[in-house]
Amino acid sequence: GAGVSQTPSNKVTEKGKYVELRCDPISGHTALYWYRQSLGQGPEFLIYFQGTGAADDSGLPNDRFFAVRPEGSVSTLKIQRTERGDSAVYLCASSLWAGGEETQYFGPGTRLLVL
Amino acid sequence: AQSVTQLGSHVSVSEGALVLLRCNYSSSVPPYLFWYVQYPNQGLQLLLKYTSAATLVKGINGFEAEFKKSETSFHLTKPSAHMSDAAEYFCAVRTNTGNQFYFGTGTSLTVIP
Repeated sequence: GAGVSQTPSNKVTEKGKYVELRCDPISGHTALYWYRQSLGQGPEFLIYFQGTGAADDSGLPNDRFFAVRPEGSVSTLKIQRTERGDSAVYLCASSLWAGGEETQYFGPGTRLLVL
Repeated sequence: AQSVTQLGSHVSVSEGALVLLRCNYSSSVPPYLFWYVQYPNQGLQLLLKYTSAATLVKGINGFEAEFKKSETSFHLTKPSAHMSDAAEYFCAVRTNTGNQFYFGTGTSLTVIP
């Protein structure tokens, strides 16, 4: 496809479970971002990849959150021991490069509900 | 530190009326500024961006925004609202020294027929 895709679109899990959220960026985009959007809020930065490496993970709320991008394309956001407060829409965005004028292209998000 | 404030979490306008969505930013260095629109159950879509060129920026769907450094503002306008403009709008700032985007809390636009 031409855009950023995210799977699953919805995920319901129980408190304490482990979840993985997947992001397929636009082909050729080297930069990839994860955001979390809580109800009534704007997207909140979590982590940024340039290629395979996490260039900035300062937005991850705690060590239960982890993300990988092993081949510099698809990325997976992993959440261990989920808590009800993790419920949110998780957005992925990709761009051609990390510079001032870059434009981020967002996926539709994964809506996570932790019961 | 960078931040964005969007005044008015909900704005209602009549179809055909002027749309004005407010955004003020704080940034210690010259910023790059963006407006995104989010339709229900869809990802954010870029409307327009300011990158230190012209202060009046034209975007898609008839929207435009003006960067005013003296007011630290980047308000979004459209002369005549359409029903299809009903959505959530987010202002975002990014500095040229970092890679983080900071988003406002969003403004929900309702267009009344």
